[in-house]
Amino acid sequence: SSELTQDPGVSVALGQTVRITCQGDRLRSNYASWYQQRPGQAPFLVMYDKNTRPPGIPDRFSGSISGNTASLTITGAQAEDEADYYCNSRDSSGNNFVFGTGTRVTVL
Amino acid sequence: QVQLVESGGGVVQPGRSLRLSCEASGFTFSSYAMHWVRQTPGKGLEWLAVISYDGDIKYYEDSVKGRLTISRDNSKNTLYLQMNSLRSEGTAVYYCARGSLWDKFFPEFDLWGRGTLVTVSS
Repeated sequence: SSELTQDPGVSVALGQTVRITCQGDRLRSNYASWYQQRPGQAPFLVMYDKNTRPPGIPDRFSGSISGNTASLTITGAQAEDEADYYCNSRDSSGNNFVFGTGTRVTVL
Repeated sequence: QVQLVESGGGVVQPGRSLRLSCEASGFTFSSYAMHWVRQTPGKGLEWLAVISYDGDIKYYEDSVKGRLTISRDNSKNTLYLQMNSLRSEGTAVYYCARGSLWDKFFPEFDLWGRGTLVTVSS
């Protein structure tokens, strides 16, 4: 079972702000990444090292870690942001990796 | 073009073996750690294994230890996943993903393939 827990689903009105959270003790290592996956597509990286965006990711995406909770915030959500989002970090062994349970974001 | 292309998926009977491949292009494959991740239909992502840039270090998710083997051939820019004693719960899309440079093992997978579907069924 996953050591990283996410809310199953959240909804956000077009243009509004939504925050997706990921909870786990291993997040105290202060390193997490986030992935977006649209239906029928492969995941891709949208945030890493707490709050670093890969090239091409819009600045409406931001990240943070506080205690045992990592957060991905979308400020001014767009229709194309509707997708599943997964966090990732190291697991309790320190050698392996684990994905969060995933959050489906619905843009209304 | 920077990309990863998986192959080798298909229908396989329970208890049989299968080897997946992931061919890399457009970047220096031998400089990066590489991962395998799978996704059961309609479910979430599950990390399976990682191999260091030189193949010397390998880590596996506990539930697949002993049944999956990750390997790489840097001369062929190819990553492999040998799957033995397949079970029905192995039915999934298998993705390869690029990890960190050199001997770093940061949780960041910045390039993914499109995946290959493995169906375990009699």
